[in-house]
Amino acid sequence: GAVVSQHPSRVICKSGTSVKIECRSLDFQATTMFWYRQFPKQSLMLMATSNEGSKATYEQGVEKDKFLINHASLTLSTLTVTSAHPEDSSFYICSARGLMGTEAFFGQGTRLTVV
Amino acid sequence: AQSVTQPDIHITVSEGASLELRCNYSYGATPYLFWYVQSPGQGLQLLLKYFSGDTLVQGIKGFEAEFKRSQSSFNLRKPSVHWSDAAEYFCAVGTDSWGKFQFGAGTQVVVTP
Repeated sequence: GAVVSQHPSRVICKSGTSVKIECRSLDFQATTMFWYRQFPKQSLMLMATSNEGSKATYEQGVEKDKFLINHASLTLSTLTVTSAHPEDSSFYICSARGLMGTEAFFGQGTRLTVV
Repeated sequence: AQSVTQPDIHITVSEGASLELRCNYSYGATPYLFWYVQSPGQGLQLLLKYFSGDTLVQGIKGFEAEFKRSQSSFNLRKPSVHWSDAAEYFCAVGTDSWGKFQFGAGTQVVVTP
């Protein structure tokens, strides 16, 4: 299957700072990428859908000004958590789908801890 | 609104025994159904998916799932579990877009010797 890489795999940041998470499709062009977050021992919740070259579509209840998503190229989407607070600590996972793809491939996830 | 229910939060099974994980969904049309597995601290790996056709779907690692429309279920099975099957399993429903999923709460599988 295709490979989706997330970076970093773990990050610790201070409260009030911003942190950027990258999601890259390594061997295919990802026209659509999805961002999920997963709280400990809970399921994955879709945060937003991003299409290359256009603004992301956020799910209800997700603050677009706090979780900035950029999908500027066909192989890279970034999620920036702005002014992070401890309650933003979570596991963030992206998935990517190609134009002709019939499957979305998941990254390995990023563990964010805000202290 | 669509929803996915995994009734079992935690299942313990002996190595070599059979495993069945339950998944029920609520959706107005025929959904796209998926089972994913997640090892600790890792991303998700697709085990199998159902779109249409044969209601018994074969997946990787010896897993299979059966779509039962009358019961709105898509249960995952494996005849004989291995210690490496210990993980979190998620059932998911897709709608009109690949990758925009509604996930169930997950079932943690523990395999004992």
